[in-house]
Amino acid sequence: DSGVTQTPKHLITATGQRVTLRCSPRSGDLSVYWYQQSLDQGLQFLIQYYNGEERAKGNILERFSAQQFPDLHSELNLSSLELGDSALYFCASSASNEQYFGPGTRLTVT
Amino acid sequence: AQKITQTQPGMFVQEKEAVTLDCTYDTSDQSYGLFWYKQPSSGEMIFLIYQGSYDEQNATEGRYSLNFQKARKSANLVISASQLGDSAMYFCAMSPYNFGNEKLTFGTGTRLTIIP
Repeated sequence: DSGVTQTPKHLITATGQRVTLRCSPRSGDLSVYWYQQSLDQGLQFLIQYYNGEERAKGNILERFSAQQFPDLHSELNLSSLELGDSALYFCASSASNEQYFGPGTRLTVT
Repeated sequence: AQKITQTQPGMFVQEKEAVTLDCTYDTSDQSYGLFWYKQPSSGEMIFLIYQGSYDEQNATEGRYSLNFQKARKSANLVISASQLGDSAMYFCAMSPYNFGNEKLTFGTGTRLTIIP
């Protein structure tokens, strides 16, 4: 158990819908990272928050957004969903250079 | 930009043998970190081992060791005495060594299958 929690584990929704994925980092970790793992693109970095502020952006679509709250948990919002958004979405947290991943949320868009 | 290359899409290894998973990287940064993660069929990403670019000794964690050759820009993972439970996808990754900005760049992975 990495200490990073993600909810929900599985999510099935229809095209055009909006969903929110939630992540709680390990106790004391200020950084939260979101990654997407798909068959087409492999593992890709989406976005990073550090102590409530956006720190780095990767290959994140404009339809996607994220935020980190004062209690350090983070949410990834995915809107106008398309079939190609089906993927495993990971959250990771770190206090130093090592990152620990949550169990992931498997999103299926039908 | 950082890039990770894993040239072995799949490997089959006999149980109890040692296995080396290849990883080469490309970066213009002087400071960086190298990582290996294991992803079993259940899907979670399990951190295995870390090597900093300034670390002179190769990192070891139990049966895992990282063969770091900086001049060759390689960071191969060595698993000694392989076990059936080692069957999984293995990802090499790197990050810049900047405090507060450690986004990981991943390779495409190697699927390791341990044969009884």
